Amino acid sequence: EPEVTQTPSHQVTQMGQEVILRCVPISNHLYFYWYRQILGQKVEFLVSFYNNEISEKSEIFDDQFSVERPDGSNFTLKIRSTKLEDSAMYFCASNPTVNTGELFFGEGSRLTVL
Amino acid sequence: DQQVKQNSPSLSVQEGRISILNCDYTNSMFDYFLWYKKYPAEGPTFLISISSIKDKNEDGRFTVFLNKSAKHLSLHIVPSQPGDSAVYFCAASATGGFKTIFGAGTRLFVKA
Repeated sequence: EPEVTQTPSHQVTQMGQEVILRCVPISNHLYFYWYRQILGQKVEFLVSFYNNEISEKSEIFDDQFSVERPDGSNFTLKIRSTKLEDSAMYFCASNPTVNTGELFFGEGSRLTVL
Repeated sequence: DQQVKQNSPSLSVQEGRISILNCDYTNSMFDYFLWYKKYPAEGPTFLISISSIKDKNEDGRFTVFLNKSAKHLSLHIVPSQPGDSAVYFCAASATGGFKTIFGAGTRLFVKA
């Protein structure tokens, strides 16, 4: 069964460093998303991406965040200068249509900022 | 911005009994509602959904009920099984929108 894959599964970084989280969405999906979950809290929307541009972003997704689809398969989230509060589980998701909200999630990348 | 609320952080149920998980929403624009299940160290997985034109959707042991006037939905699991123990997230989206909003989750414990 097709699945969303994410790398790395866990990354530890120093505050102020840049981090890139990578995702390979399901191949025939058109809409891509990043969500995050701070430990024990809700799953928060960060950004959605369609047709090579951001469709919608939350207030969390400030100037230190960026997304890119550099080729036909990868979808990346870059955090330019990490802060302690960026420590969270970051989930990539995709879906073939935007109309239902049914998302297919990857297993997540745990980011720890020291 | 708590557009989707799950007020019970946890629920404990005996195996074989019914589990009822509740969710409230505030945004009238939401017209599609979903439940996701999440195990530790995994991403959420889609469980069941309901469109706003319906008030009930059933899939095996799982039934979702929607009360639009009360802006409330619930997930019923019957009979509950130990393998159902997980965190359940309620979520909602609006047609034409580009995001699905999640609640805080309810941790379900099904005791054998």
